[in-house]
Amino acid sequence: GAGVSQSPSNKVTEKGKDVELRCDPISGHTALYWYRQSLGQGLEFLIYFQGNSAPDKSGLPSDRFSAERTGGSVSTLTIQRTQQEDSAVYLCASSLNPGQSEKLFFGSGTQLSVL
Amino acid sequence: GNSVTQMEGPVTLSEEAFLTINCTYTATGYPSLFWYVQYPGEGLQLLLKATKADDKGSNKGFEATYRKETTSFHLEKGSVQVSDSAVYFCALGDRGSTLGRLYFGRGTQLTVWP
Repeated sequence: GAGVSQSPSNKVTEKGKDVELRCDPISGHTALYWYRQSLGQGLEFLIYFQGNSAPDKSGLPSDRFSAERTGGSVSTLTIQRTQQEDSAVYLCASSLNPGQSEKLFFGSGTQLSVL
Repeated sequence: GNSVTQMEGPVTLSEEAFLTINCTYTATGYPSLFWYVQYPGEGLQLLLKATKADDKGSNKGFEATYRKETTSFHLEKGSVQVSDSAVYFCALGDRGSTLGRLYFGRGTQLTVWP
């Protein structure tokens, strides 16, 4: 696609429910990143994919968070048993190759609200 | 480790005022430095970058100079416009890493009044 696409753009859920957030990177981009933007905080790194594998998942805050990427393309971030502190904007970014931090393209994010 | 500290907002200015948003960093290697901008309702966009000491990044009237001696990368604009109202993020990329991960500051909300 023309840009990084994320869906849904907004998600409201109840505490304890599971949610799935989707990212469609730019076609052909091998590197994919998930970041989280909480109110008053900077962007926190969550996980990095190179192809379908995740060499760096050090930013995932707990075992309730998981992510996968299939076909070297679409990625899904899953949050199980959501908590109110999970409320944030979840951003996805991609680049053609890894290590190209100056050539990252970001999606518009998914605003997650946990009630 | 790598980290970025940026000036807390919000910053409110009148049109044509001078803007400075301070950013300092801590890095283990020789980082690249970035300013990203997030306009209301839009995704994060790269505003400017600098990849080595004394480089000056510039775009849309904004400038920032990579100062190794003060570990700073302050964002400046001589005359802001209403359309500059956005959230600005300073970020660091570790050039020694093949991962491409960025380390971000907390963001500074800028509002420009006509």
